[in-house]
Amino acid sequence: AQKITQTQPGMFVQEKEAVTLDCTYDTSDQSYGLFWYKQPSSGEMIFLIYQGSYDEQNATEGRYSLNFQKARKSANLVISASQLGDSAMYFCAMGPANYGQNFVFGPGTRLSVLP
Amino acid sequence: GAGVSQSPSNKVTEKGKDVELRCDPISGHTALYWYRQSLGQGLEFLIYFQGNSAPDKSGLPSDRFSAERTGGSVSTLTIQRTQQEDSAVYLCASSFSRGETQYFGPGTRLLVL
Repeated sequence: AQKITQTQPGMFVQEKEAVTLDCTYDTSDQSYGLFWYKQPSSGEMIFLIYQGSYDEQNATEGRYSLNFQKARKSANLVISASQLGDSAMYFCAMGPANYGQNFVFGPGTRLSVLP
Repeated sequence: GAGVSQSPSNKVTEKGKDVELRCDPISGHTALYWYRQSLGQGLEFLIYFQGNSAPDKSGLPSDRFSAERTGGSVSTLTIQRTQQEDSAVYLCASSFSRGETQYFGPGTRLLVL
């Protein structure tokens, strides 16, 4: 079964500094996708970044980058130059490769950006 | 519309009543997902549709929960004989196809008294 682990229930970072949110995953599939979502206090889920298992380059989207280490099965999210608006819950998720498997989310990390 | 929409945004009901939650996915998205999120918790997968069929119903917590999708578009999640433990935010998401980026609706906040 696929599983996502996020070991940091809460993180603090000073405004303008970089922060890394950890995500490890467990799967026996060779082809899969890894996703990060942000959920602010308003409750909406916002897609941030995607990494395919066969992508050789780490994904980047503006201030977001994904540190993908396939052998270690980790897909950490790096946020550079943190802003107050980055304070939110962050969920790591894995997209299914095989028919019938669920799209699995981790438990989330609550990030608080301090002024 | 431009994004996924859900209705109602909030629903308060009495224990034992039935409720229907609606999701309008992004036009052209073939995959549609329902999730449940209890207060302060992560997302719990409920059901997934590919077109109008639901190949994966494994996440439905009990036979009180059912869902359908018609015309490859709108989906309805029905909870019969609601219980207090059903209180949660019910999120709908759609994607162009299975396994691709999911775009979420604003959710329906259900409170069962």
